Amino acid sequence: QSALTQPPSASGSPGQSVTISCTGTSSDVGGYKYVSWYQHHPGKAPKLLIYEVSKRPSGVPDRFSGSKSGNTASLAVSGLQAEDEADYYCSSYAGSNNYVVFGGGTKLTVL
Amino acid sequence: EVQLEESGGGLVKPGGSLRLSCAASGFTFSTHTMNWVRQAPGKGLEWVSAISSSGSYTYYADSMKGRFSISRDNTKNSLYLQMNSLRGEDTAVYYCAREGALVQDFDYWGQGTLVTVSS
Repeated sequence: QSALTQPPSASGSPGQSVTISCTGTSSDVGGYKYVSWYQHHPGKAPKLLIYEVSKRPSGVPDRFSGSKSGNTASLAVSGLQAEDEADYYCSSYAGSNNYVVFGGGTKLTVL
Repeated sequence: EVQLEESGGGLVKPGGSLRLSCAASGFTFSTHTMNWVRQAPGKGLEWVSAISSSGSYTYYADSMKGRFSISRDNTKNSLYLQMNSLRGEDTAVYYCAREGALVQDFDYWGQGTLVTVSS
């Protein structure tokens, strides 16, 4: 069960946009529609931002969007705000043997 | 309001055992697959284990197979994780997480409980 690959860090100024990538294989990201993204502020419970590649739960601002191409999924954050500074994780269903795999996480800094 | 509250964490010696619990409320517990996810200090999230809504199917990450056991009691709206043969690398905050209905995602999480494995 290898972790999905995310860049360790990303940054942008308030109002700017940033994209975080999540690369897996055809056995996880590329093989299923169940790619999710989570926002995690240290000391708090992680929060679901995106599910099924591009769907947003109610209450999540449309500044957050998800997409996928082949074995790579992406999370885009537009109109960066100070409160967006957090760790972001992708996850993917990986079949009944491995079930779920997470990315290593990306620390987003709002400059 | 969906609530998940973990308990049972603490300090345990290497080779020891610990049982975590997760009390669920605010939703029909028996209709959701439940999971445990952990985060070691300074590390990312790591999926640990899952159990189907009825408890008939269980899944484990490779490094936990044979040492950890997930279970649930739908009459008590509770999820459990029995951890045996604990190692230093099992030190982490353990989160209880609910899967969404019909989709594989973690739509609600607890606040976590800290497990420290140290002599």
